[in-house]
Amino acid sequence: QVQLKESGPGLVQPSQTLSLTCTVSGFSLTSNSVHWVRQPPGKGLEWVGAIWSGGSTDYNSALKSRLSISRDTSKSQVFLKMNSLQTEDTAIYFCTRNGRITYYFDYWGQGVMVTVSS
Amino acid sequence: DIQMTQSPASLSASPEEIVTITCQASQDIGNWLAWYQQKPGKSPQLLIYSATSLADGIPSRFSGSRSGTQYSLKISRLQVEDTGIYYCLQRYSNPWTFGGGTKLELK
Repeated sequence: QVQLKESGPGLVQPSQTLSLTCTVSGFSLTSNSVHWVRQPPGKGLEWVGAIWSGGSTDYNSALKSRLSISRDTSKSQVFLKMNSLQTEDTAIYFCTRNGRITYYFDYWGQGVMVTVSS
Repeated sequence: DIQMTQSPASLSASPEEIVTITCQASQDIGNWLAWYQQKPGKSPQLLIYSATSLADGIPSRFSGSRSGTQYSLKISRLQVEDTGIYYCLQRYSNPWTFGGGTKLELK
């Protein structure tokens, strides 16, 4: 069955770099795109960016200068790196699969809470 | 960026009632809209895609419609398990944007 699982540090210091990994199973990264979505505590959802099945990427323009998404298809992993972290980057970070039939996020990871604090 | 203005921000309704949540897009997005439900501490779940198509496993009491740039999610015969926060999402253009959310509670 389709599964996604995020992993990474729960605490990052301001101005440092966040590195998250999304490990997927039940589908191929060359068949479906994987996106990152974040949610600050008690707030709404924000699309962060995506890596498409062909390997190209798209980023939220508000984050583009600080963001990088890549993948290792042999390990079924997608990576998010965001530098110059600030307290407003504190959020739950979800990775999610874009469905090939629905063209929307049909499976989600459980999310990983990232706190930016010294 | 395309703005998705969602209303109401919160509502309270009784079981078996009909509720409607709307999203107004700041420009034409065609049918590139989805609706999600999120329960506390959980990941969002896809309810409706392409504005009107019901996702797999979602009860038929959920339905989506479109009128121009206004999109609606209708829940008929509200059930206790329908509590949560509902979001719309447009994927017409980058950046994909969510509405601000509607918190649905049952009386």
